[in-house]
Amino acid sequence: GENVEQHPSTLSVQEGDSAVIKCTYSDSASNYFPWYKQELGKRPQLIIDIRSNVGEKKDQRIAVTLNKTAKHFSLHITETQPEDSAVYFCAASYSGGGADGLTFGKGTHLIIQP
Amino acid sequence: DSGVTQTPKHLITATGQRVTLRCSPRSGDLSVYWYQQSLDQGLQFLIHYYNGEERAKGNILERFSAQQFPDLHSELNLSSLELGDSALYFCASNYRHNEQFFGPGTRLTVL
Repeated sequence: GENVEQHPSTLSVQEGDSAVIKCTYSDSASNYFPWYKQELGKRPQLIIDIRSNVGEKKDQRIAVTLNKTAKHFSLHITETQPEDSAVYFCAASYSGGGADGLTFGKGTHLIIQP
Repeated sequence: DSGVTQTPKHLITATGQRVTLRCSPRSGDLSVYWYQQSLDQGLQFLIHYYNGEERAKGNILERFSAQQFPDLHSELNLSSLELGDSALYFCASNYRHNEQFFGPGTRLTVL
């Protein structure tokens, strides 16, 4: 089955700086890669996703890049703000929307220092 | 609010017992997914139902079962509960191949 590795487990950055979280996946058949943000005690919320037919996707301060050859994808957050503090999870699936279920990484606790 | 509802919010029970968790998907969504989140295992996919039919199974124990009813709500049944089953259980829903929307979760504590 699919295995997703996520690094780092904790990331502390100064407010206004950029943050990068990296994930690798094992199954070359995977073609859907969402990123979720989870605040303490709340539900995971999708912040951005990318499908294997594109290499990069941007949404305001958030971007995701995908390298299918190397089987890794990354989340980039620019101009970080205090409200970006949360746990971020990457995931992979070999069907759009994760019909076979999403395989998640272990999460990255992002801390924005004022 | 994602539009996905789950009940109850919290559940406290004893080892060996059986519980049922309920999930109602967003209006128009035909798929329901169940996930378990624990400190040691992280977020794990359990099972996926689409329009009443089981579509995919993940790391779901034999003591756990699920079903999706004609009105599309779903129930996750956990039996012979063990201490290690204590976790947050989320359901998510989507329409076809679009993003999964998560419900608020049910926190299960097994004493």
